[in-house]
Amino acid sequence: SYELTQPPSVSVSPGQTASITCSGDNLGDKKACWYQQKPGQSPVLVIYQNSKRPSGIPERFSGSNSGNTATLTISGTQAMDEADYYCQAWDISTFYVFGTGTKVTVL
Amino acid sequence: EVQLVESGGDLVQPGGSLRLSCVDSGFTFSSYWMSWVRQAPGKGLEWVANIRQDESEKYYVDSVKGRFTISRDNAKNSLYLQMSSLRAEDTAVYYCARQDGSVSYFDFWGQGTLVTVSS
Repeated sequence: SYELTQPPSVSVSPGQTASITCSGDNLGDKKACWYQQKPGQSPVLVIYQNSKRPSGIPERFSGSNSGNTATLTISGTQAMDEADYYCQAWDISTFYVFGTGTKVTVL
Repeated sequence: EVQLVESGGDLVQPGGSLRLSCVDSGFTFSSYWMSWVRQAPGKGLEWVANIRQDESEKYYVDSVKGRFTISRDNAKNSLYLQMSSLRAEDTAVYYCARQDGSVSYFDFWGQGTLVTVSS
């Protein structure tokens, strides 16, 4: 079955850049997306089709996908960005696969 | 405004059954694939099942095949998940999620409903 692996945690200082990776076999051949989930809330789509931002998502969120790794980058990180982040891709054998999740802490 | 409102979550004994509902508004429900996604306490997200607009295609994660059934009623803008032979490992918050036109991601999510399977 297809799997996506993320680092369990990422720490970042306010105003700095946070990068969250998502690794999977030939992930660059698929379209990756990213969700933000704050405690007690449902997930919110922040990046789709590798690098597109839905309406209402701040420009500080960006994404890329190449080779075996997709990356979510948060530029000028704010305290409100503290949350869990999940990558997700579609695979023909396992359909919708989510990454293991990364907790972003803004110190 | 797109809204997805789940209901039906409850405490149920192992082997029991439960039906979840999701009532949707703010968009043309009949034009979208819809999914159920679950999240066990303190764990990550897991896709459970999805359904095509006209119910002609339905797909399930292997762990629920033969036990869960997804359905919809476009006249009532509603999505359902009939769950049977429930196990402790089915304990989770169940989210209703709309799929985008490319069917590759979930662009709107409900607030979730908690299903607890325990004796």
